[in-house]
Amino acid sequence: EIVMTQSPATLSVSPGERATLSCRASQSVSSNLAWYQQKPGQAPRLLIYGASTRATGIPARFSGSGSGTEFTLTISSLQSEDFAVYYCQQYNNWPPALTFGGGTKVEIK
Amino acid sequence: QVQLVQSGAEVKKPGASVKVSCKASGYTFTSYGISWVRQAPGQGLEWMGWISAYNGNTNYAQKLQGRVTMTTDTSTSTAYMELRSLRSDDTAVYYCARSVGATGLADYWGQGTLVTVSS
Repeated sequence: EIVMTQSPATLSVSPGERATLSCRASQSVSSNLAWYQQKPGQAPRLLIYGASTRATGIPARFSGSGSGTEFTLTISSLQSEDFAVYYCQQYNNWPPALTFGGGTKVEIK
Repeated sequence: QVQLVQSGAEVKKPGASVKVSCKASGYTFTSYGISWVRQAPGQGLEWMGWISAYNGNTNYAQKLQGRVTMTTDTSTSTAYMELRSLRSDDTAVYYCARSVGATGLADYWGQGTLVTVSS
């Protein structure tokens, strides 16, 4: 089973600042990596897939990079609505077997 | 627009079973799969399994093998997840999500169904 590890667990950032979140896979997942945003009481929302492609309607301040085992989600200038928990997820298996990281909570500094 | 609408909250006793439904609309149901993901209170996301709406093929998380069954009804574009022999640690919000093709990428999610297991 592929294990996904996210860091840090919590990130304190001021509005307007840049946030950088990391995700590491225990083995290569190629570019089959997605990022989700989850706010309290809501379902996860797909932000990034294919490691770097923004999903429909996602603002350009969200960007993803990486391949293989190391991935990064960058939020260039944090807006108030961006404070949430972010999960990475690999989808490199057939048949599909998704694995999530433990999440990074982005909180207001 | 793509929508996944799940059934309502459930309260079950330990040892009982629960069956959660997920009605899809806004896309061709049989062209995608459905993944089920759960989230215990205050915890992260846990993948439970996947079903192809095209041919009914499934892949379940190893820890749930033998207790979970996922099915689809293509006539109503509805997916179902049944979990048996419920325990207190099955208390969670259960989500269905549309899974894209061979990748299984979960792009659209249902609103979630809270299942509480308590004596």
